[in-house]
Amino acid sequence: GDSVTQMEGPVTLSEEAFLTINCTYTATGYPSLFWYVQYPGEGLQLLLKATKADDKGSNKGFEATYRKETTSFHLEKGSVQVSDSAVYFCALSPKAAGNKLTFGGGTRVLVKP
Amino acid sequence: DAGVIQSPRHEVTEMGQEVTLRCKPISGHNSLFWYRQTMMRGLELLIYFNNNVPIDDSGMPEDRFSAKMPNASFSTLKIQPSEPRDSAVYFCASSLSSAGYEQYFGPGTRLTVT
Repeated sequence: GDSVTQMEGPVTLSEEAFLTINCTYTATGYPSLFWYVQYPGEGLQLLLKATKADDKGSNKGFEATYRKETTSFHLEKGSVQVSDSAVYFCALSPKAAGNKLTFGGGTRVLVKP
Repeated sequence: DAGVIQSPRHEVTEMGQEVTLRCKPISGHNSLFWYRQTMMRGLELLIYFNNNVPIDDSGMPEDRFSAKMPNASFSTLKIQPSEPRDSAVYFCASSLSSAGYEQYFGPGTRLTVT
């Protein structure tokens, strides 16, 4: 079945550091890929998405590129802020299963001033 | 526009009591999802509906859990009887199947069963 694997946290960084969170997936066909972010005490928010190979999703300084050849969708940000402290979830949708999402386990990121 | 609305935001109840969680999806969305989040098990999909019809309830942990969607603007998740191991944050999410597959989450209901 479909699955998403992302690096375990917590990831602790200093402000203005470079952030990378690895995400790889297993799926049949060509799923849509997503990154969600969860701030403390809140629900998940869509951060960015990509729907086909080589698409780059971007939002709020975050980027991720859909790499079909490596089945990956790594999240990056060039200069993190304290406000980026959150849990980040990688997810996929097979596009043909009623919008059902398969989530990774989440990666907690802590940015220190 | 209002997002997904969940109520109550917090619920504390005693073991054996019935608990009902409520969700109002985004207007016009035709898919609705119930998730449970715990530290131990992470984010789990319990059940989802398309056009008010339950499609997959394989994630519902046991018969004590039931979900309904009587119309396009309302859904409930009921636990009867509740147990301490049901303590978790329960999220509702909705999406529009023709518009990119992303889901929009509510703020969650934090359930504590003592």
